[in-house]
Amino acid sequence: NAGVTQTPKFQVLKTGQSMTLQCAQDMNHEYMSWYRQDPGMGLRLIHYSVGAGITDQGEVPNGYNVSRSTTEDFPLRLLSAAPSQTSVYFCASSRRAGVPVSYEQYFGPGTRLTVT
Amino acid sequence: DAKTTQPTSMDCAEGRAANLPCNHSTISGNEYVYWYRQIHSQGPQYIIHGLKNNETNEMASLIITEDRKSSTLILPHATLRDTAVYYCIGGRDSNYQLIWGAGTKLIIKP
Repeated sequence: NAGVTQTPKFQVLKTGQSMTLQCAQDMNHEYMSWYRQDPGMGLRLIHYSVGAGITDQGEVPNGYNVSRSTTEDFPLRLLSAAPSQTSVYFCASSRRAGVPVSYEQYFGPGTRLTVT
Repeated sequence: DAKTTQPTSMDCAEGRAANLPCNHSTISGNEYVYWYRQIHSQGPQYIIHGLKNNETNEMASLIITEDRKSSTLILPHATLRDTAVYYCIGGRDSNYQLIWGAGTKLIIKP
């Protein structure tokens, strides 16, 4: 299994440009999520999805859109890039198990985005 | 929102047990405690989780106090490759999503 893959690894954008960060998983996990991590900080949740066709906002959703048309893919779209969106972006998928339900998250390698 | 409290940084000698504490005094009854680590800006790696009982796997042991207000992650024989930021997650926000703190930077010294 490849696990969680993310592309691109690095990206430089100019203010106002748009782009899509790709995320795919081959573990058949229903739950997927996007985080951003700023220097010296923990992860902050942007958007998440509990299954194909279902998405919801996390802690910091402004400026980002997501869609989930398949179980495998969960792309993150930056609508109009701003310098404040310079960060490292991680995608994760989660294995649900047990009662009560627990979520073991598996993360991709990240996309390092710089907005100038 | 429920939060966790961890030391900012810790040192441990190579070959010794590394004990990483975490306070999660506001965790509710059916919420798990999760531990992850992040090695040098890579994607976080799942380590272990537990609810009430102590847990052990091939990576670590998790000791949860009886009142569930704190826990300790134990790496039994730390190696240089265990140098990382360790995150304890013990609560959810108002949207029922896990809350990540700043973690503990663990440095293993030769």
